[in-house]
This record gives sequence, C-alpha cells and structure tokens, in this order.
Amino acid sequence: LAKTTQPISMDSYEGQEVNITCSHNNIATNDYITWYQQFPSQGPRFIIQGYKTKVTNEVASLFIPADRKSSTLSLPRVSLSDTAVYYCLVGDRNYGQNFVFGPGTRLSVLP
Amino acid sequence: DAGVTQSPTHLIKTRGQQVTLRCSPKSGHDTVSWYQQALGQGPQFIFQYYEEEERQRGNFPDRFSGHQFPNYSSELNVNALLLGDSALYLCASSRDHEGSPLHFGNGTRLTVT
Repeated sequence: LAKTTQPISMDSYEGQEVNITCSHNNIATNDYITWYQQFPSQGPRFIIQGYKTKVTNEVASLFIPADRKSSTLSLPRVSLSDTAVYYCLVGDRNYGQNFVFGPGTRLSVLP
Repeated sequence: DAGVTQSPTHLIKTRGQQVTLRCSPKSGHDTVSWYQQALGQGPQFIFQYYEEEERQRGNFPDRFSGHQFPNYSSELNVNALLLGDSALYLCASSRDHEGSPLHFGNGTRLTVT
C-alpha cells in the first residue's frame, strides 16, 4: 500500500506560484500519481495525473523525479479561488482499496 | 456531457434506520466507487463496482452494501444506521482503463440523529 506524506497546510498570496510536494517512498511500478482538489461540501476534482517526468495541463504542472519517490504539484499564479484541500494519491484507481486518500494539504490563498 | 450525479444531496435519518443513496456515472464510464468522508478528513474507500459485481471492498462492515445496474448506475445501502455514519458519501466513476482517473460527484450529506 503506497502511503503518501504531504504538508498539512500552506499559505500563499494571490499571483504567486505554489508548489506542494508529496512523498511516496514505496510507490509501486504500476502506480500512477494523481492530484485532486476539493472545496468544502463538494467532491474532489481531478487536477492532474502522471507516471514519470513532467506533465502539464491548463491548470497545473506535475513534476516527478526519476526515482518517483516524490512528486510536486505546481499551481501557477494562484488566486483566492484556489483556496482548497489538495490530495496526492498514488495507486491504481481500479484497485480502490489501494487508492488511499490522506488528510491532504489545506492551501489558503491570501489577498 | 453530464458528470457524476448523486441523489439526494442531503438526507436526515434516525439511528437504526436504513438509507439508499444513488449515483449516475459520467457518460462513458463503467466503474463506480463509493467513498465516505467524515468532516475534516480525506475520503475513505468503501467499495467499487464493475460489471455489476463488487470488485474491491474497503474496511467497512456488512451494513454497507451496494449494487450496480446494467446502465452502470449504482446504489449504496446502509442498514442499522449509527450516529458515526454521519458523513459526506461520495460516488466516483471511471473507465476500466489504465490511467483513467476518478471523477467524483458532489456527494450526499447524510446526518444520523
């Protein structure tokens, strides 16, 4: 079971770039790394997923080093609306019992 | 293209009662997973359905059961409700394909009094 460790909370200011790092030392060969964003009273929203190297989409970038034991979610130029809880998960979502949510990182974006 | 829809959005039940929650997956998705999220915590995996069968199950008692229908929609049933069952219940769908991420609904807020 791949366990993840990420900071409990982070503060940032509007317009800054935010990097949230997740550690997953025992990631398995077949595991993907997936990040979700969750606002209060809503379901988690898929942000980005990767297997190795770098992945970029319209909202974020995901950096994964060669050993895959960690990953960094990068949010460019955050706004107040990016205040949310961010979850890092490793595993295969088709094996849900191994797709474990931790407590996440509570990001607060300040004006 | 409708995403994952769940009903009802809110529900209040009394201890000992039974409840049924419903989920319609995102179009094109064939796998449904259910999660329980207590206040201030991350979602906890309950079980997953694929081809109308329970494929995986988390550490939840038999009071939690489910069903998947031929149209891929799903139900979560909880019997003999306890106060501790009060939570946000999330349904997530995905394609049974490597790398296909989960798409979540906005959940059903269950309150047990």
